[in-house]
Amino acid sequence: DAGVIQSPRHEVTEMGQEVTLRCKPISGHNSLFWYRQTMMRGLELLIYFNNNVPIDDSGMPEDRFSAKMPNASFSTLKIQPSEPRDSAVYFCASRLGENNEQFFGPGTRLTVL
Amino acid sequence: AQSVTQLGSHVSVSEGALVLLRCNYSSSVPPYLFWYVQYPNQGLQLLLKYTSAATLVKGINGFEAEFKKSETSFHLTKPSAHMSDAAEYFCAVSDQGTYKYIFGTGTRLKVLA
Repeated sequence: DAGVIQSPRHEVTEMGQEVTLRCKPISGHNSLFWYRQTMMRGLELLIYFNNNVPIDDSGMPEDRFSAKMPNASFSTLKIQPSEPRDSAVYFCASRLGENNEQFFGPGTRLTVL
Repeated sequence: AQSVTQLGSHVSVSEGALVLLRCNYSSSVPPYLFWYVQYPNQGLQLLLKYTSAATLVKGINGFEAEFKKSETSFHLTKPSAHMSDAAEYFCAVSDQGTYKYIFGTGTRLKVLA
């Protein structure tokens, strides 16, 4: 299995630009998570999807952040407009069923200048 | 509310020495517990998990952890450190039947030659 796939691996953009991060979960997994990792705040859960439906988006920091999961094999996290404080590593993770471990992708390192 | 405390943000050990990384949790019900490892510029990889079966859990790369309910602890150990063990280690807790992980702040392990 290819594991969780994220693209791009690195993104550098200027303040005010739109940024779209992509994730392909492991085939057959029915839960998908987006996390943000920073030195100051550690790992934060942004949003959780179950069977393609957003269940908990309480971690999404602002309206500038939005996430979609149009089908079981693809999800996006969009930031519009981006700000320097959004600079972080964004991870996608997927899981099969409850009580099982989450499998993490390699992350997207976002730098907003 | 659940919480996870990892004592020591940085731990240094000599190659061949015992590795001990500490994790304490608070949960009102028997939790599921996980240890993940993160190598530089990579995603999180599951080392081991406790899901209310055996209290001593063996994981990959020679690591193991023991669930001690009386101490609310789930410390990670390895008898003999190897240079390749240098990474950041995260403890996480999840209540049974829930989706949300609570991650600790991480412990960065340095292995000295």
